[in-house]
Amino acid sequence: QKEVEQDPGPLSVPEGAIVSLNCTYSNSAFQYFMWYRQYSRKGPELLMYTYSSGNKEDGRFTAQVDKSSKYISLFIRDSQPSDSATYLCAFYSGAGSYQLTFGKGTKLSVIP
Amino acid sequence: NAGVTQTPKFQVLKTGQSMTLQCAQDMNHNSMYWYRQDPGMGLRLIYYSASEGTTDKGEVPNGYNVSRLNKREFSLRLESAAPSQTSVYFCASRGISGANVLTFGAGSRLTVL
Repeated sequence: QKEVEQDPGPLSVPEGAIVSLNCTYSNSAFQYFMWYRQYSRKGPELLMYTYSSGNKEDGRFTAQVDKSSKYISLFIRDSQPSDSATYLCAFYSGAGSYQLTFGKGTKLSVIP
Repeated sequence: NAGVTQTPKFQVLKTGQSMTLQCAQDMNHNSMYWYRQDPGMGLRLIYYSASEGTTDKGEVPNGYNVSRLNKREFSLRLESAAPSQTSVYFCASRGISGANVLTFGAGSRLTVL
């Protein structure tokens, strides 16, 4: 079983749609759950992070963590063409570790 | 602007040539990282430096060496480049926080012929 699984897409949606991006993981030690956004030919940038289970909202973005199911999601409301990018989930187990574990990324296109 | 700066942005090498990728951060971060990103493979950690004076291997260290020159700078060296090292390389740094949030550079595109 892979440590992190993320559907690579590509995912194409019309402008204004609600987008749902997901990752599953197998490592119970993960405590921090992150989403990075990467525009074409750019470096990844942190979009959101959450600690433990629950939801976190930031504008049009909502990150959701279900530790019991080992499943995380990123929802984008009222999607815009500027949201077109690759979205990577990332996981971190906490103190004593210096490494993140990344998903392979989902490529999203929002069509005007 | 504050952030992580990588040089060069693009490089073409012949098999067997050597080169060094440079990375500098001006955020006073302790930890620095080198990743490679390949289609279908995602981001893979090559080496990291938890603090000045220390370096550790990541997932794919073979064929690479690193130097943590000071707190700001972390370089990645290819001693004898191979076509399998054609990739996009990202440097990242991390400050003191619980979440291990990384700040990435813009990337260096390397082609080995």
